[in-house]
Amino acid sequence: DQQVKQNSPSLSVQEGRISILNCDYTNSMFDYFLWYKKYPAEGPTFLISISSIKDKNEDGRFTVFLNKSAKHLSLHIVPSQPGDSAVYFCAASASTSYDKVIFGPGTSLSVIP
Amino acid sequence: DTEVTQTPKHLVMGMTNKKSLKCEQHMGHRAMYWYKQKAKKPPELMFVYSYEKLSINESVPSRFSPECPNSSLLNLHLHALQPEDSALYLCASSQGSGPATYEQYFGPGTRLTVT
Repeated sequence: DQQVKQNSPSLSVQEGRISILNCDYTNSMFDYFLWYKKYPAEGPTFLISISSIKDKNEDGRFTVFLNKSAKHLSLHIVPSQPGDSAVYFCAASASTSYDKVIFGPGTSLSVIP
Repeated sequence: DTEVTQTPKHLVMGMTNKKSLKCEQHMGHRAMYWYKQKAKKPPELMFVYSYEKLSINESVPSRFSPECPNSSLLNLHLHALQPEDSALYLCASSQGSGPATYEQYFGPGTRLTVT
């Protein structure tokens, strides 16, 4: 049973527009959420995180929104750039062990010039 | 230095071979991780070492044997693997010593093929 879901396997966006990647989780114990980006033949790279005590965290072009009641988070990338084309993984962990990170299946983002 | 290095990049081994994967970080991180990633799937946690002690083993078969010789090094010893163990093996580390310090830094991975 998938505890972290990313229901869109792929997404295409025009350069300069907003990319919105969605993530849902089922485990109500999760209280720390992370987004990673992965290029082919490389390991995942940490992008941004959010604690459950917040509903928004922003870092440059990247903003993560958390809706705890809906068990939903989203990553917004504005403006999207061709270099953002990658697989994006949503991940979650709980205070019982923040080392145990559960990854979603990923969304492949293509930013079209 | 925010790099996690892994060697080798690629490894082909037979089912009777013994080999080891190596991982190194010099960021002073207290936790190191092994993940397995199959094609088009997310990374799956295998082991976590915290302060050089094994803290999490996700019911990994004994043909995979982790070792943490010191705070900077992490090994994964492989013996009698099966073809279905072919995957990308990722190492990661994290500071993990306070709020919002649990982001993990990943190495590039070792692409393992078992024949």
